[in-house]
Amino acid sequence: SQTIHQWPATLVQPVGSPLSLECTVEGTSNPNLYWYRQAAGRGLQLLFYSVGIGQISSEVPQNLSASRPQDRQFILSSKKLLLSDSGFYLCAWSDPLLAGARETQYFGPGTRLLVL
Amino acid sequence: AQSVAQPEDQVNVAEGNPLTVKCTYSVSGNPYLFWYVQYPNRGLQFLLKYITGDNLVKGSYGFEAEFNKSQTSFHLKKPSALVSDSALYFCAAPGGGYQKVTFGTGTKLQVIP
Repeated sequence: SQTIHQWPATLVQPVGSPLSLECTVEGTSNPNLYWYRQAAGRGLQLLFYSVGIGQISSEVPQNLSASRPQDRQFILSSKKLLLSDSGFYLCAWSDPLLAGARETQYFGPGTRLLVL
Repeated sequence: AQSVAQPEDQVNVAEGNPLTVKCTYSVSGNPYLFWYVQYPNRGLQFLLKYITGDNLVKGSYGFEAEFNKSQTSFHLKKPSALVSDSALYFCAAPGGGYQKVTFGTGTKLQVIP
């Protein structure tokens, strides 16, 4: 069965510090991978998605970046955090080859980031 | 463009009563529709999906959803609410681009003991 991991679970960082959040998926190959941010426990904002190694699409201009160095690894980074980067970050995967269900996304447990 | 709307910000229901969480959609062609649940400080969990076939879709934890093409709705239902069902519920549909999903704004369900 497939599992998705995210770490750390919580993070408190000062403004201006760097960020690295990691997401890994097990039990599947060539997944689509997604980073979302959820502010104030409500709506989801898609930040980045990736359909393969080194292929990253950015949805919203911001000071965040994403990378996919391995097939099942997705990293969210920042060189200098802003207060507005605080939120709950969710990683998700989907199977692009699963006919009729490729849009079904499966989420990790999330990382709560507080920038002070 | 495909989109979903959740008209209720919060739904309160007494334990043991039936519950309904509403979702309406605007999609072209045959819609794929999903429901997810999010418990506090957790990721979203997939509940159920409609692709084609029976209008009543059964999912996890006793939930079901009814697809209604004439009303463009996909309401989530459960015959008897549990306190543990209290959570944030999201309706979703493919949209916004290739292999992406558009999520509704979420409905907070509060089941009162």
